[in-house]
This record gives sequence, structure tokens and C-alpha cells, in this order.
Amino acid sequence: KQEVTQIPAALSVPEGENLVLNCSFTDSAIYNLQWFRQDPGKGLTSLLLIQSSQREQTSGRLNASLDKSSGRSTLYIAASQPGDSATYLCAVRGWGAGSYQLTFGKGTKLSVIP
Amino acid sequence: DGGITQSPKYLFRKEGQNVTLSCEQNLNHDAMYWYRQDPGQGLRLIYYSQIVNDFQKGDIAEGYSVSREKKESFPLTVTSAQKNPTAFYLCASSKDWNEAFFGQGTRLTVV
Repeated sequence: KQEVTQIPAALSVPEGENLVLNCSFTDSAIYNLQWFRQDPGKGLTSLLLIQSSQREQTSGRLNASLDKSSGRSTLYIAASQPGDSATYLCAVRGWGAGSYQLTFGKGTKLSVIP
Repeated sequence: DGGITQSPKYLFRKEGQNVTLSCEQNLNHDAMYWYRQDPGQGLRLIYYSQIVNDFQKGDIAEGYSVSREKKESFPLTVTSAQKNPTAFYLCASSKDWNEAFFGQGTRLTVV
């Protein structure tokens, strides 16, 4: 059964710093991987989707990489801002019969200090 | 605006009562999902549906029921058989197995 781990559970950084969030998964047979942002009491906002054949995706100050063979993905946030404070979730979609299933990590709670 | 609309935002349930959470999407997506989120835990899949009039149980379907009579709508009923229903419920949709989009959630509390 796929398991997704996000370390650290919480991270506090000063404004302007570049930072990396980590996501690891146990089964490398994935269809795609998606990063989300969740603000307190709100739903999930999709940030980036990486297909299994891709190595990275970029959107603005965000860059997500995927190393399927090692079961790892990273989300790089450049020049962090207080508005980036939120919980970041990684989710992996299985392959074949497991493609319906998005398996989530527990998230990394990011605080950007002005 | 295209998106997913969940209602109500807050819902209170008395012991022994069934309640229904609404989820509507105008993204023309075939696949729809219901997830439950509890503090300190990852999202867990309750039910999913790939097409109209078809749906499958997820990891924690006991005490829940769904219907998919229209492509746009995927309501979730929390029955009295669900012993610990207090949680944050999230509905999502996707085109095939690609990017998933989520609603703003419904917070259900047992009173």
C-alpha cells in the first residue's frame, strides 16, 4: 500500500528565504504527483502537477521536482513571502488499477515570518 | 467561474441523524471524490465515482453513502451508522486521472 511522508511537519523561515519542502513515497509505480496548498479552514488549492514521465514543473516562484526511482519529490519556493504561510500537501496517484486513488501526506505547515 | 461548490460550509448533526453534504462541479469532469480530513491525519478517501450512476468505496466508506445521478453532482450522506462523523469533508473532481481540484469543504460537527 502506498505511503506518503512529508518532513518536516512544520517549518518557520524569515521572509525572503528560499526553501524546500520534501515528499517521499514508498511505491514508485505512480501516475502523477500533485502539490497542494491549504489555508486554515479552507479547501485545497492545486499548485503543481507532475506526470510520472516528467522531472519537474514550474509555476512562478514554485518549482516541483520528481525522482520516481528514489520515491521523492521536492517543492522549492523562492523568495518566500508571509502570504506563503499555509500547509503544503503532497499527493501521489497510483498506476493502473490504483489510478483512482490519491494518497496524501500529512503536510508541512509553513510559517514565513515578516 | 468554473469550480467546485460545497454546501453548507458548516453543518451540525444530532446523534442518530442522517445528514447530506452537497458537492456540485461545472468543470465537466467525469471523476468525483469525497475525502475526510481529521487533525493530524492525511486526507482519507471515502467514495469516488468515475461516471454517472457508478461509484466505488474508498478506504473508509462505512457509515457513508453517495449517489451520482448527474455528472455535475455527487452528494454524500453521513448516516447514523458513522460513529465518529465530526471532521472536515472535502469534495474533489478531475478529468480522467489528471489534476484534481477541490471544493472549500464542509465542517461537520456532532452536537
